[in-house]
Amino acid sequence: DAMVIQNPRYQVTQFGKPVTLSCSQTLNHNVMYWYQQKSSQAPKLLFHYYDKDFNNEADTPDNFQSRRPNTSFCFLDIRSPGLGDAAMYLCATSRVWGRNNSPLHFGNGTRLTVT
Amino acid sequence: SQQGEEDPQALSIQEGENATMNCSYKTSINNLQWYRQNSGRGLVHLILIRSNEREKHSGRLRVTLDTSKKSSSLLITASRAADTASYFCATLHYNTDKLIFGTGTRLQVFP
Repeated sequence: DAMVIQNPRYQVTQFGKPVTLSCSQTLNHNVMYWYQQKSSQAPKLLFHYYDKDFNNEADTPDNFQSRRPNTSFCFLDIRSPGLGDAAMYLCATSRVWGRNNSPLHFGNGTRLTVT
Repeated sequence: SQQGEEDPQALSIQEGENATMNCSYKTSINNLQWYRQNSGRGLVHLILIRSNEREKHSGRLRVTLDTSKKSSSLLITASRAADTASYFCATLHYNTDKLIFGTGTRLQVFP
């Protein structure tokens, strides 16, 4: 089945120690997104790629970076995780961007714990 | 903030009852979408309603949209224990083409 896969499901890292979360998709969608979701809150968009075109949200901290080496894979790098970065990180894809009414397909997320 | 708000924050019902969740938003939109999230999992798309539509059905789901009031509702009929989840509305904003999620409603359906 075509899907969005996130690895690992759970990640523990130490304060200040760089960590990378990965996402892959078999849907061949053009757009990939990273959302941050803290407990009982709405998912918050960090950035998205339209093909290779990177789009950062204005309020996404510089501590967060992303790479998309090809259509199928996208990575979230947190350079120096703080305690406030503990959250569920959700990867999503869509066939196109914006007003073409293309719904998002989400992975099951990676829950990041910072100790 | 462009974020939508959902009401109620939490809802508990018995199996077989209907569940209604409401979403309000602040800016002009292209469409509004509803997603479900089971505990500890990703979001699953349920239904999309365009800004020029007023009502849409999908199985046991019924969504309405009132753009003059900037509000939407999701009705789940004949609820089941498996419907227990958090439900989020998300609005595709007209000016930015960004999908912004609301605060969610936690639904608990008791057998």
